[in-house]
Order: sequence, then structure tokens, then C-alpha cells
Amino acid sequence: DAKTTQPNSMESNEEEPVHLPCNHSTISGTDYIHWYRQLPSQGPEYVIHGLTSNVNNRMASLAIAEDRKSSTLILHRATLRDAAVYYCILRPQARGTGKLIFGQGTTLQVKP
Amino acid sequence: SAVISQKPSRDICQRGTSLTIQCQVDSQVTMMFWYRQQPGQSLTLIATANQGSEATYESGFVIDKFPISRPNLTFSTLTVSNMSPEDSSIYLCSVGGTRNTEAFFGQGTRLTVV
Repeated sequence: DAKTTQPNSMESNEEEPVHLPCNHSTISGTDYIHWYRQLPSQGPEYVIHGLTSNVNNRMASLAIAEDRKSSTLILHRATLRDAAVYYCILRPQARGTGKLIFGQGTTLQVKP
Repeated sequence: SAVISQKPSRDICQRGTSLTIQCQVDSQVTMMFWYRQQPGQSLTLIATANQGSEATYESGFVIDKFPISRPNLTFSTLTVSNMSPEDSSIYLCSVGGTRNTEAFFGQGTRLTVV
């Protein structure tokens, strides 16, 4: 499975944008890039995913580099509730691979 | 979407005993996944549970220690057998979706072995 690399931790101020980077230099052409987050004492929850084009949803935006070797999760206005561990995960095309392989993720702290 | 219920939400168990964790999904799914999250760590996949077949275990996990049942398309159990303090972790159930859809997780079972 292709590997992702994320910073261990990041800090942000409340109501400011946050850019969470992820490197995935060994990504294959059919891997989707997924982001999940895990709030304290909860199971992971889906944030966003994409293949090649930038994606937006109500939670966040995903910016994917042209060569697809990196991506950035963008929280437009961080709130205290966004303090969580954010995981960047690659999902391959092969059948029977609904499993997710988690890296260490980025722990985001949001300061009031 | 899928809603996943796990039971129990937490438990404190004596070493040498076994605990069975239940996972109920509100829709029929082909594959269910069990993860372990050790204190302060990320999630590690234990096994994939398919209905009607033996579970597929990841490297480092064996059926004798973590037997899994999958009696139908909405339910699965994970048993942590002959527990030791090193088994103290959060155990999570998930349904995986596909590469172009989201996965869903239960809230987890926080296990403490004393």
C-alpha cells in the first residue's frame, strides 16, 4: 500500500484557516486520497476525498497537487471543535480493499 | 450512510478472561473491519470479516487471540481472548465503502485489562 507522510502536530488560532499537508509520493494513478479525522474519544469520521481535482464540501476543501504526490486539507475557519487527529489515507482500486491503512496523522490544536 | 453501534462502550476486565465486542450496522454490508487503537497510537487493522467465510487477519493478529464471527450482513463480533494488560486498547468496528465512498466507524469499545 502506498504510504502517506504528515506532520505530527500543528497549531491554529480559532477562526483562522488551517492547511494540513500530506505527502504521498508513491501514489498510483487510481488511488483516491481520503481524509478522516478523529475527535477525542470518538471513532474516525470522514472529511473529504478526491482523485485529481480539488474538492469542496461543507466541512473542508481538498487541494491536490498536479502530480498528485501531495495534497492539502484546508479548514477555512478553524473552530475549537476542529481539534482532532487528521489522517490522510490512500484508497486503491483493487477489489476487496475496503480496509483503511492509517498512518500516525496530524494532531491539530486550535487555540481560542 | 451507515450507523454503527458497538457494545459495550467500555469495560474493565481481569487478565486471563475474554471479552466479546458486538458491532451492529443499520444496513447490509459485505465487509466489516475491526481495528485496534492502542493508547496514544493510530488505528491498526486487525481483520476483515466477510459474511459466510473465515475472517482475514492482518500480520501480527491471529484467530486464536481475536476470533471473529459474522453471522449475517449486519452484525459481527470480535472476541479478545485470554486478555493481558497489553490488550488494553480501543477496539473499533468499521464498514469500508469503496475507494470512491466514505467509510463509517463505530464509537469504539474502550477495554482496560487489569
